[in-house]
Amino acid sequence: DVKVTQSSRYLVKRTGEKVFLECVQDMDHENMFWYRQDPGLGLRLIYFSYDVKMKEKGDIPEGYSVSREKKERFSLILESASTNQTSMYLCASSPGTGGKQYFGPGTRLTVT
Amino acid sequence: DAKTTQPNSMESNEEEPVHLPCNHSTISGTDYIHWYRQLPSQGPEYVIHGLTSNVNNRMASLAIAEDRKSSTLILHRATLRDAAVYYCILKKNYGGSQGNLIFGKGTKLSVKP
Repeated sequence: DVKVTQSSRYLVKRTGEKVFLECVQDMDHENMFWYRQDPGLGLRLIYFSYDVKMKEKGDIPEGYSVSREKKERFSLILESASTNQTSMYLCASSPGTGGKQYFGPGTRLTVT
Repeated sequence: DAKTTQPNSMESNEEEPVHLPCNHSTISGTDYIHWYRQLPSQGPEYVIHGLTSNVNNRMASLAIAEDRKSSTLILHRATLRDAAVYYCILKKNYGGSQGNLIFGKGTKLSVKP
């Protein structure tokens, strides 16, 4: 079974802190994605990557950056966390041909 | 981007079939119809997808209208575990950004015992 794991299920950080969310997949997938999910707004794409060291902005990249140094790992970075970044963050991966996406369990981040 | 329209919520009784509708009148020839669902406190999971013909797998069936402007996800016997938000998504079968998923609000399915 494809496994996408995220480093934490719950995280509490203070305003202004630098936050790292890690995602690892074990299926040698080329594509990886970061979404955030908020009530009433659904899932929105923050960044995605379809190769190591490649990244592209999604719909809401402001306030975020990403890193993909190895194929299996995709990190989401909040340079200076703000309260409006309190959300559920979901990572996903898919094969390079654009097939189905496999999602991790999510990280619920609270910024106080 | 082609959009989909789904009812906000539906209710079903346990062990009865459920038909979840989706309208996509602006679908293009290269759009596949994908369904994902999200159980409470979990990430979304893939359910099924199709292009033109009806599709069956162990989770569900997908019935696609002949003109492809609508589709229906069929759960043959709903269980309590099927209570989730179901997303109907049009997706191109490309790599890169053209193959990205665009999630709408979905249909929240409640299953009564």
